[in-house]
Amino acid sequence: DAGITQSPRHKVTETGTPVTLRCHQTENHRYMYWYRQDPGHGLRLIHYSYGVKDTDKGEVSDGYSVSRSKTEDFLLTLESATSSQTSVYFCAISDRSAGNTIYFGEGSWLTVV
Amino acid sequence: KQEVTQIPAALSVPEGENLVLNCSFTDSAIYNLQWFRQDPGKGLTSLLLIQSSQREQTSGRLNASLDKSSGRSTLYIAASQPGDSATYLCAFSYGSGNTGKLIFGQGTTLQVKP
Repeated sequence: DAGITQSPRHKVTETGTPVTLRCHQTENHRYMYWYRQDPGHGLRLIHYSYGVKDTDKGEVSDGYSVSRSKTEDFLLTLESATSSQTSVYFCAISDRSAGNTIYFGEGSWLTVV
Repeated sequence: KQEVTQIPAALSVPEGENLVLNCSFTDSAIYNLQWFRQDPGKGLTSLLLIQSSQREQTSGRLNASLDKSSGRSTLYIAASQPGDSATYLCAFSYGSGNTGKLIFGQGTTLQVKP
């Protein structure tokens, strides 16, 4: 257990509405990541952060923004949700003390109707 | 573009069998690789991490190997149990300073029958 908490765990929202997913970690890890998992595509990196206010894009960043104002929180925002953003979203951290092992949260199931 | 392929996509075995899951990659300039387990409706659980300078890692009944020259990694599960039923994913990192930028395979779904 790497102390990662995602919220909400499940959400249904309407097309065009903004949605924010939160990833909270308790162990002061520097690197945090957001992935999405879809059938046929597997897991793909959306955005990542390498420190407070330091973020960068991943493979599938279009339509998403992120923020990290505190070490422990990494927020993923869908500014205007679309049906193609229906997915399972996973937060992850890199644990330097464990040889940079990557640990994942339990996931957030998002449905855009 | 780096690609990761896992074979087979699905596997069903009787309890007690030893089995091997395969993972191949196209770019040998990897930094490390991890094997994960995912149960239905759950997150990913890290099983083993192999640094690029290592050849294998072991944890209990699990053994993972890495052969960069051939572009392959294998996960060996000894004496399989029904509780091993899950999807197994391999993932590679290509950045020394940012090891969470992972390229994932599509996974092998394992069913171990009692």
